[in-house]
Amino acid sequence: QITLKESGPTLVKPTQTLTLTCTFSGFSLTTPGEAVGWIRQPPGKALEWLALIFWDDDKGYSPSLKNRLTITKDTSKNRVVLTMTNMDPVDTATYFCARSLQRTYGNWGRGTLVTVSS
Amino acid sequence: DIQMTQSPSSLSASVGDRVTITCQASQDINNCLNWYQQKPGRAPKLLIYDASNLESGVPSRFSGSGSGTDFTFTISSLQPEDFATYYCQLYDDLRDAFGPGTTVDVK
Repeated sequence: QITLKESGPTLVKPTQTLTLTCTFSGFSLTTPGEAVGWIRQPPGKALEWLALIFWDDDKGYSPSLKNRLTITKDTSKNRVVLTMTNMDPVDTATYFCARSLQRTYGNWGRGTLVTVSS
Repeated sequence: DIQMTQSPSSLSASVGDRVTITCQASQDINNCLNWYQQKPGRAPKLLIYDASNLESGVPSRFSGSGSGTDFTFTISSLQPEDFATYYCQLYDDLRDAFGPGTTVDVK
C-alpha cells in the first residue's frame, strides 16, 4: 500500500521560510522512474505545481517560483523536503505531496493547510 | 515555458449528459498529458494518463484523446458522483503544469 503524508507548520509569518516534509511508504525513491512532487492549492483556487525530485536526484521547479524553492530527498528515511523562502499571505494554500511514477501523480497525500499571517 | 489553457472553466450538466473538456498546450507536448478529478476537500485522483490511457479502476465512461497541442477529456454519461472539478496536467522535461480546471456542476 502506498501512502504519503505531509507535515510542517500550519502557520508561518510573512518573510519566514516554510519547510514541509513528505513522508512516504510503499515505494522507493531509489527505483528508476519514481519521483515525488509538491503541488499546492490556495483556498477555492486551482492546483499549482511547485517542484519535483526524481530517483536520480534530478529536480524540477516551477519557473515562477524557482528562486524561492528547494526540494531534497532522504531515501534512507523515505522523505522529501520542500523549502519555500520569503513566504507571503498569497502563499496560503493546501500543500500536497504526490508520487510521480512515469510523470503521473497516482498517489497523493491528504494535504496540509499552511496559512501565512502575521 | 509551456502554457496551458483549459475550457470551459465551468459547465452545468445533468445526469446522463455527455461532457467534454478541452486542454490546449502552447507547444507540442506529444501525448504528455494527464487528467485528474478533484472533489471538495479531497486530493486529486488520476483518471487518464498519457492523453488516452484509462487508469486502473477508473470507470470506462471516462476517456481522453489528443496529441500535440490539443486534448479532449470526455465523460460519456455523467453520473451523480462525477460532479467535481477536472484538471489537465502536462509534463515536459523537468517541469509539470496543471490547467486552470473545469468545474462540472448540476444543471
